[in-house]
Amino acid sequence: GAGVSQSPSNKVTEKGKDVELRCDPISGHTALYWYRQRLGQGLEFLIYFQGNSAPDKSGLPSDRFSAERTGESVSTLTIQRTQQEDSAVYLCASSLAGRSEKLFFGSGTQLSVL
Amino acid sequence: AQSVTQPDIHITVSEGASLELRCNYSYGATPYLFWYVQSPGQGLQLLLKYFSGDTLVQGIKGFEAEFKRSQSSFNLRKPSVHWSDAAEYFCAVAGGSYIPTFGRGTSLIVHP
Repeated sequence: GAGVSQSPSNKVTEKGKDVELRCDPISGHTALYWYRQRLGQGLEFLIYFQGNSAPDKSGLPSDRFSAERTGESVSTLTIQRTQQEDSAVYLCASSLAGRSEKLFFGSGTQLSVL
Repeated sequence: AQSVTQPDIHITVSEGASLELRCNYSYGATPYLFWYVQSPGQGLQLLLKYFSGDTLVQGIKGFEAEFKRSQSSFNLRKPSVHWSDAAEYFCAVAGGSYIPTFGRGTSLIVHP
């Protein structure tokens, strides 16, 4: 497809389990972002990938969160030992390089931790 | 550091009325500024952006925004609101970082 694709669209898990969220960016987009949106809140930055540079992980809330990206393609966000406060919509976005470039967002993964 | 404040959590307007959503940013130099809209069940979509030149920028769906350096503001406006404009609106700033910082959003409610 032409847009940013995220899977799964919904994920229900039990507290303490690990989850993996996937993002397929738009082809040719070198920049990839992960944000978290808690209910009624704004977007909280998690991690940023730009080409082959080291990712900016400054937004990851704890060492339970990690993300990988292979080249300029798919990215996975992994949350280990999930907690109830991890419940949120996880949004992925991609863009061409540059601060003036707009972000193209996926529809997000709704994560519910019971 | 860069930050964004959207002081209004909810805004209610009647269809056909004018709209202004407020956004204030904090950044030492000229920032890159954006407005995104998140419609129910849809992903965020860019409405407009500013990074230089004319301080009044036009966007999609009839929206415009004005950059006012003296007030550190980038307010979003529309002269006549349609029911389909009901959505969540996010202001974002990208300053020295390539990572946009988003405000908490303003929920627009449109009454018929």
